[in-house]
Amino acid sequence: EAQVTQNPRYLITVTGKKLTVTCSQNMNHEYMSWYRQDPGLGLRQIYYSMNVEVTDKGDVPEGYKVSRKEKRNFPLILESPSPNQTSLYFCASSLTALGSSYNSPLHFGNGTRLTVT
Amino acid sequence: RKEVEQDPGPFNVPEGATVAFNCTYSNSASQSFFWYRQDCRKEPKLLMSVYSSGNEDGRFTAQLNRASQYISLLIRDSKLSDSATYLCVVNYMEYGNKLVFGAGTILRVKS
Repeated sequence: EAQVTQNPRYLITVTGKKLTVTCSQNMNHEYMSWYRQDPGLGLRQIYYSMNVEVTDKGDVPEGYKVSRKEKRNFPLILESPSPNQTSLYFCASSLTALGSSYNSPLHFGNGTRLTVT
Repeated sequence: RKEVEQDPGPFNVPEGATVAFNCTYSNSASQSFFWYRQDCRKEPKLLMSVYSSGNEDGRFTAQLNRASQYISLLIRDSKLSDSATYLCVVNYMEYGNKLVFGAGTILRVKS
């Protein structure tokens, strides 16, 4: 089954304790992206990757890191989480680097709900 | 002004009703437009793309008005299963691969 898999689904952690949220897709997609979703703000892009070893900042990259060493994986790293990073996180992928083209819609993972105390 | 604005709702409608949502966008250079559906606590899923000529998929009709910079979604004969949040999504090609999401419109269909 074609899918984007995120882990974990739920995570509660404390301020400053490094964590990684994994994202993997099995569709051979070039483009991958991370979003956070907060009430009233919609999805905001954190980082995206056009292909292996190519990553770039989105709208809210502060406090996050990513890597794209393999095409299928795009982990999100929080080196020192803070309470303002409590949010619902989504990983997404699309076939081509033009993740927004009509022929290449975004496929989302099922989300990671992160709470930082 | 937000780049993509939607009425948050909620829109409470009875089964069988017709309901319409609008979404306005600020950048006239936008090139691609989409409606995504998001069920409670779930991931967004593409509902339909919005083409310049307008398009229809069953009970759903999407329209684009470039002159006034808005897109619309019309749902006819609403079903209970249509209850969800509808996200308006706009691509700003001048920013590379930037997709801008609206905050969403909540629809509740009641029996």
